[in-house]
Amino acid sequence: SQKIEQNSEALNIQEGKTATLTCNYTNYSPAYLQWYRQDPGRGPVFLLLIRENEKEKRKERLKVTFDTTLKQSLFHITASQPADSATYLCALPGMNYGGSQGNLIFGKGTKLSVKP
Amino acid sequence: EPEVTQTPSHQVTQMGQEVILRCVPISNHLYFYWYRQILGQKVEFLVSFYNNEISEKSEIFDDQFSVERPDGSNFTLKIRSTKLEDSAMYFCASTETGKPQHFGDGTRLSIL
Repeated sequence: SQKIEQNSEALNIQEGKTATLTCNYTNYSPAYLQWYRQDPGRGPVFLLLIRENEKEKRKERLKVTFDTTLKQSLFHITASQPADSATYLCALPGMNYGGSQGNLIFGKGTKLSVKP
Repeated sequence: EPEVTQTPSHQVTQMGQEVILRCVPISNHLYFYWYRQILGQKVEFLVSFYNNEISEKSEIFDDQFSVERPDGSNFTLKIRSTKLEDSAMYFCASTETGKPQHFGDGTRLSIL
């Protein structure tokens, strides 16, 4: 079955620096990959989606890359702020999905802490 | 911005009892989902629902679980006979064609 790994459980950085989070997957060739943010006691909030034919996607201070050869996505937050502190989840469509609205498989997440 | 709303925010139930978790998806969405997150673990898919029927379900979604869309606005998850290991956050999500899923803030289910 497909496996998703976010290989840092926690990442601590200084305000203003760039945070880089990693998502690796195996046994799978997904058509797209998503990143979500989750705050304590809250549901995941969608941030970005990148498709298999896209190398890079940007939204304000966020940048996502998708390397289908390495089976890896990198998620960058530039000029990080304490308000960016949260858990960031990588998500892939489930292997059995029949279209764009299938279930999501989530990684365990990386808890980012941005210190002032 | 429209939101997915879930009630109650916290449900405490005795083991073996039935529990119903309620969700109001975003009004023009057609695809509905339930996920759960055991404390400290990853978000896990349970079931998806479209056109008044289950479209996919995971191994977790066994005969003790059922879903229903009783009217045009609510989407419910029922657990028939709760077990201690059902204790988790349960998230409802909804979406429309070609869009990412929107999640509610969950119901924390505690089984005693």
